[in-house]
Amino acid sequence: DGGITQSPKYLFRKEGQNVTLSCEQNLNHDAMYWYRQDPGQGLRLIYYSQIVNDFQKGDIAEGYSVSREKKESFPLTVTSAQKNPTAFYLCASSPTGGGGYTFGSGTRLTVV
Amino acid sequence: AQSVTQPDIHITVSEGASLELRCNYSYGATPYLFWYVQSPGQGLQLLLKYFSGDTLVQGIKGFEAEFKRSQSSFNLRKPSVHWSDAAEYFCAVGAHQAGTALIFGKGTTLSVSS
Repeated sequence: DGGITQSPKYLFRKEGQNVTLSCEQNLNHDAMYWYRQDPGQGLRLIYYSQIVNDFQKGDIAEGYSVSREKKESFPLTVTSAQKNPTAFYLCASSPTGGGGYTFGSGTRLTVV
Repeated sequence: AQSVTQPDIHITVSEGASLELRCNYSYGATPYLFWYVQSPGQGLQLLLKYFSGDTLVQGIKGFEAEFKRSQSSFNLRKPSVHWSDAAEYFCAVGAHQAGTALIFGKGTTLSVSS
């Protein structure tokens, strides 16, 4: 079945460490997105990519980085520069021509 | 500024009662509108979407929403709520353009009482 896979589901990181969250889709979607979710804040856009080897900053890109070397993959790195990284991270994709997103099941990152 | 407002942070409805969740948007272009539902610790599932045409759209799980351009609203409704509908609901708006990022509201948490 087609879908988006995020891994791992839970991730713990020590302060000062970088960590990479995986997002893979087999839907043949061109566009992919990363959102951060905090209680009461809704979803805030971190980065998005419309095509391979191209991506744009969202509203809260500071302290994060991404790459889009393959259509299927859009990993997110949370760097040590991100001051408050503990959150639930959601990856999504959408087809060419617009339309709704398909979401992954999320990764909960906790800084310990 | 482009934004989505969900005025109700938390709503409690009795099982079997009707439900309406409010959504207002501010968007410069002709909008695509969406409602998503999220269970705790999970991703978001698309309930329904409006692109054009009939302003009353039907979705999954018995939900419907009505687009009112004059009021910049896209309220979600269900005639009879089931206990399994308890979840968080998000309204979102985007442009008629491929790959445009959606803007989400902050969500409404629905509790269902027996």
